[in-house]
Amino acid sequence: ETGVTQTPRHLVMGMTNKKSLKCEQHLGHNAMYWYKQSAKKPLELMFVYSLEERVENNSVPSRFSPECPNSSHLFLHLHTLQPEDSALYLCASSRGRLNEQFFGPGTRLTVL
Amino acid sequence: TQLLEQSPQFLSIQEGENLTVYCNSSSVFSSLQWYRQEPGEGPVLLVTVVTGGEVKKLKRLTFQFGDARKDSSLHITAAQPGDTGLYLCAGEGSGGSNYKLTFGKGTLLTVNP
Repeated sequence: ETGVTQTPRHLVMGMTNKKSLKCEQHLGHNAMYWYKQSAKKPLELMFVYSLEERVENNSVPSRFSPECPNSSHLFLHLHTLQPEDSALYLCASSRGRLNEQFFGPGTRLTVL
Repeated sequence: TQLLEQSPQFLSIQEGENLTVYCNSSSVFSSLQWYRQEPGEGPVLLVTVVTGGEVKKLKRLTFQFGDARKDSSLHITAAQPGDTGLYLCAGEGSGGSNYKLTFGKGTLLTVNP
């Protein structure tokens, strides 16, 4: 099993759709993250979960809704997105003081 | 707000050349990480530097953390096409959230054969 997996790898959705992104980590890590990567901008931290509790919410619009049912799984529920939400959404996990991030391959999201 | 500025933004070189990319800030970081991201993939951690003045080597890659822990550099010797990718630096702040990393925009390196 690879370390951090994400599904789907590509997603095209309309502004009225509801979809979910899934992330799974097989590394025994205790923190999981959602990041947004857009062209010409730094990686933007969206949410952090530590031991299944949300510890960071970086002023993300409510049309993005995270869920962490256990320490190995993380979801990002999407509804009524805007075209400017099109980006690469990366999941990561970490363990330990240095918070070294282990990233998944990302979901390339296009909102029409 | 802590910011990390990376330079250059783009770099295109020939195989065998040496190069240095920079990561600078006005803020102090307790540690700094370097990642490489290839097209269609997530970033992969290369190294973490923690102590001011620290130098770490990873084969042909040399990483240095500034004495004041505000900046870092990555030097690649005899670059190869396999070094092509987006190089990201990320700093962990010395205060505040225990989980938040500040990322730079990255240096996109292309090594031509």
